[in-house]
Amino acid sequence: GAVVSQHPSWVICKSGTSVKIECRSLDFQATTMFWYRQFPKQSLMLMATSNEGSKATYEQGVEKDKFLINHASLTLSTLTVTSAHPEDSSFYICSASADGNTEAFFGQGTRLTVV
Amino acid sequence: KNQVEQSPQSLIILEGKNCTLQCNYTVSPFSNLRWYKQDTGRGPVSLTIMTFSENTKSNGRYTATLDADTKQSSLHITASQLSDSASYICVVSDGGSYIPTFGRGTSLIVHP
Repeated sequence: GAVVSQHPSWVICKSGTSVKIECRSLDFQATTMFWYRQFPKQSLMLMATSNEGSKATYEQGVEKDKFLINHASLTLSTLTVTSAHPEDSSFYICSASADGNTEAFFGQGTRLTVV
Repeated sequence: KNQVEQSPQSLIILEGKNCTLQCNYTVSPFSNLRWYKQDTGRGPVSLTIMTFSENTKSNGRYTATLDADTKQSSLHITASQLSDSASYICVVSDGGSYIPTFGRGTSLIVHP
């Protein structure tokens, strides 16, 4: 299958700082990328859907000013957690799809810990 | 509201045994259904993807079935191995928005 790389794999940051997570499709062009968060023993929760060159569509309850998503190219989307709080600590996962309807491939996830 | 329900929530089996995981969905219109395996602390890895016209699809020891009429799918694992211990997630995509709806997953533990 296609390869989606997420970076970093884990990050620890102080409360109030911002953290950027990158999601790259390495061997295909991803028109659509999805961002998820996952709490322990829970299923993935969709945060937002981003299409290249457009503003991201956020799910209800997700603060767009706190979770900034940029999808400026067909191979890269970034999620920036601004003014991070301990409750933002979670596992963040991206997935990328060539056109939104074909299979989406997942990154390996980023473990964020806010102290 | 689109929903995906999986059962059982957790399952413990002995190595070498078979098992079947269930997925019921209410997503409409339907685009495709996917089964993923997620190891702890890792991103999900695709096992199978099925469209409306497909009834069965196999990937090694994994066999997925789909009944689009009853909106049910199953994932059968044959001759389980210790490495099969993971969470198995059923994902159904909406045919209109293509947004995926995730099930909560079935946590499978394979004991020696």
